[in-house]
Amino acid sequence: QVQLVESGGGVVQSGRSLRLSCAASGFNFRNYAMHWVRQAPGKGLEWAAVVSYDGDNNHYADSVKGRFTISRDNSKNTMYLQMDSLRPEDTAVYYCARDEAGLDYWGQGTLVVVSS
Amino acid sequence: SYVLTQPPSVSVAPGKTARITCGGNNIGRNSVHWYRQKPGQAPVLVIYYDSDRPSGIPERFSGSNSGDTATLSISRVEAGDEADYYCQVWDPSSDHRIFGGGTKLTVL
Repeated sequence: QVQLVESGGGVVQSGRSLRLSCAASGFNFRNYAMHWVRQAPGKGLEWAAVVSYDGDNNHYADSVKGRFTISRDNSKNTMYLQMDSLRPEDTAVYYCARDEAGLDYWGQGTLVVVSS
Repeated sequence: SYVLTQPPSVSVAPGKTARITCGGNNIGRNSVHWYRQKPGQAPVLVIYYDSDRPSGIPERFSGSNSGDTATLSISRVEAGDEADYYCQVWDPSSDHRIFGGGTKLTVL
C-alpha cells in the first residue's frame, strides 16, 4: 500500500536551517509529482512547494520562495525540503503528498518549531 | 493571486445534508478537489475533479462546480463526518496549488 513517511522535524532557532525528508513506498515514486503542504498550529492548510516527477521543475509559494528548496532522489524514493533562513512563522506541521488527481496520499506530517 | 473563500463553519443535524461552499472567480473553469481533516490527522482526499470520489469514500459525498462556486455535499450526515473540510485548485499560470481557508463541519 502507498506510504509516505516524513522525518527531520524539530525545534530550531530563527535564522537556522533544517532539512525534511519524505520516504515513499508502495508505488512507482518516479512517476509522480510530489508536494509539501504545511499547517501552522490551529490554522488551515498552506501549499508550500511542488517537485516534478523527474525533479526538473519546481515551484514555490511566495511565502517560502528563495528560502526553501524542494528536491527528490528517485533512486532512494525520497523527497526533501531544505529550509533555510527559518522564521517563527514557518512553525507548522509539514506534510508530504502525492500528486494524482488532487493530492491523493498524504504522510502523517512532521512538526517544525522555529523559536525566536 | 487566486483566492478561495469558504465559510468558517457549517452546522447540520444528523441525517440531514451538509453543503460546504468554496467561492472563487470563475472557479467553474478550474477543477476543484476537496479534503477532510479530522483533529490530529492528515488530510484525506474526498472529492477530486469537482465530483469524483476516491475509492473508500462513501457515496454520501458528492461535489459540484459552476460559475463562481464549488460545493461539497454530504448527505445523511453522521457524527463521524465532523471535521475540517478544505477545497483546493491548481493555478496553471503559476503551477501553484491554492487551498481555501477551511470549513469546520459540526454535527448537532
